[in-house]
Amino acid sequence: DQQVKQNSPSLSVQEGRISILNCDYTNSMFDYFLWYKKYPAEGPTFLISISSIKDKNEDGRFTVFLNKSAKHLSLHIVPSQPGDSAVYFCAASDVVNQFYFGTGTSLTVIP
Amino acid sequence: DTGVSQNPRHKITKRGQNVTFRCDPISEHNRLYWYRQTLGQGPEFLTYFQNEAQLEKSRLLSDRFSAERPKGSFSTLEIQRTEQGDSAMYLCASSSGGQGGTREQYFGPGTRLTVT
Repeated sequence: DQQVKQNSPSLSVQEGRISILNCDYTNSMFDYFLWYKKYPAEGPTFLISISSIKDKNEDGRFTVFLNKSAKHLSLHIVPSQPGDSAVYFCAASDVVNQFYFGTGTSLTVIP
Repeated sequence: DTGVSQNPRHKITKRGQNVTFRCDPISEHNRLYWYRQTLGQGPEFLTYFQNEAQLEKSRLLSDRFSAERPKGSFSTLEIQRTEQGDSAMYLCASSSGGQGGTREQYFGPGTRLTVT
């Protein structure tokens, strides 16, 4: 049973525009959420995280929004750059520190 | 220290053979995680250590899989009697954890296992 879902396998965005990647989860015990970026032949790279006590966290061009009532989080990238093209995974963690990953969204930023 | 390292990067083995992978975490990190990733899927949690103690194991981790972290430094993941279904990327990650630590994990490049 997939507890973290990314329903969009792929997304294409023009350079300079906003990229919005979405993630839904089912387990209300998750209390920490993360986004990772992955290039081919490399391990995932940590991008940004958010605790369940917050609804927004911002780091440069990256902002993560958390809507606990909807069990939904999103990653906004503004402005999008060609180097942002990668697969993005969202992940959720529970209090026993098990992590659950979504299936990923492949982002292509078109120059 | 430049990050998490994993060896080997690639391993091809025949069905029924045993394989062992090694992970060297970031030196000051006390938590170490093993994941498996197959094509089109996200990383799937296998097990994790805090220092040398193995604290959690996924129910996906069959008896053929064993992991160790002697002295709380590097870790090994062994798969006995490999099956073709074991073919995957095996990822290791570490984090600082603990009181005041964060849960951000830093991943190694992975070991790609192919069982023929």
